[in-house]
Amino acid sequence: AQKVTQAQTEISVVEKEDVTLDCVYETRDTTYYLFWYKQPPSGELVFLIRRNSFDEQNEISGRYSWNFQKSTSSFNFTITASQVVDSAVYFCALSEPAGGSYIPTFGRGTSLIVHP
Amino acid sequence: KAGVTQTPRYLIKTRGQQVTLSCSPISGHRSVSWYQQTPGQGLQFLFEYFSETQRNKGNFPGRFSGRQFSNSRSEMNVSTLELGDSALYLCASSLGTSGEETQYFGPGTRLLVL
Repeated sequence: AQKVTQAQTEISVVEKEDVTLDCVYETRDTTYYLFWYKQPPSGELVFLIRRNSFDEQNEISGRYSWNFQKSTSSFNFTITASQVVDSAVYFCALSEPAGGSYIPTFGRGTSLIVHP
Repeated sequence: KAGVTQTPRYLIKTRGQQVTLSCSPISGHRSVSWYQQTPGQGLQFLFEYFSETQRNKGNFPGRFSGRQFSNSRSEMNVSTLELGDSALYLCASSLGTSGEETQYFGPGTRLLVL
């Protein structure tokens, strides 16, 4: 079973629509970290958010918001009023403790296409 | 502050050759992690170096190795290249260990093995 599942391979929306990218993770650890990254066509991953396992508070940053629910092992990402510049591949990642450090595991990514 | 830089950006090699990729982290960052990204396997963790010591290694064969220098710059080496090694290799740096801290990624090195 995958540790991080992003079931949506590709999502296509029209500008100004709201869109939610799903992320479900699997871990036995009580301490872990969750991340979202954006990868535009240029290829460079851009950090969006980090959340530790003890902080279930939802977060909003401009048009972006994240919903973390430990009960369902989900860490979903919503873009409100999407724009063409939001078109990219979005990755969810889980970091689990290993050997005194942490090892990150990435989901397969969700390609978001925003049409004008 | 300058971001993470990777050199070279593009590389073409033939099977059996070896390759060395370089990564310069953000100034002050002590952790450097390497990832391989392919269409088939996605983004996979290769290894992490912190203060010149390898902290963790992903599930890759021994042909993949790396090191970190005292100035935190890192290199990764792939020996006896195979066609399947064609990928985008991403480097990321962070202040502390990669899993806890925010990682900042470089633009990547795109390796093509013929």
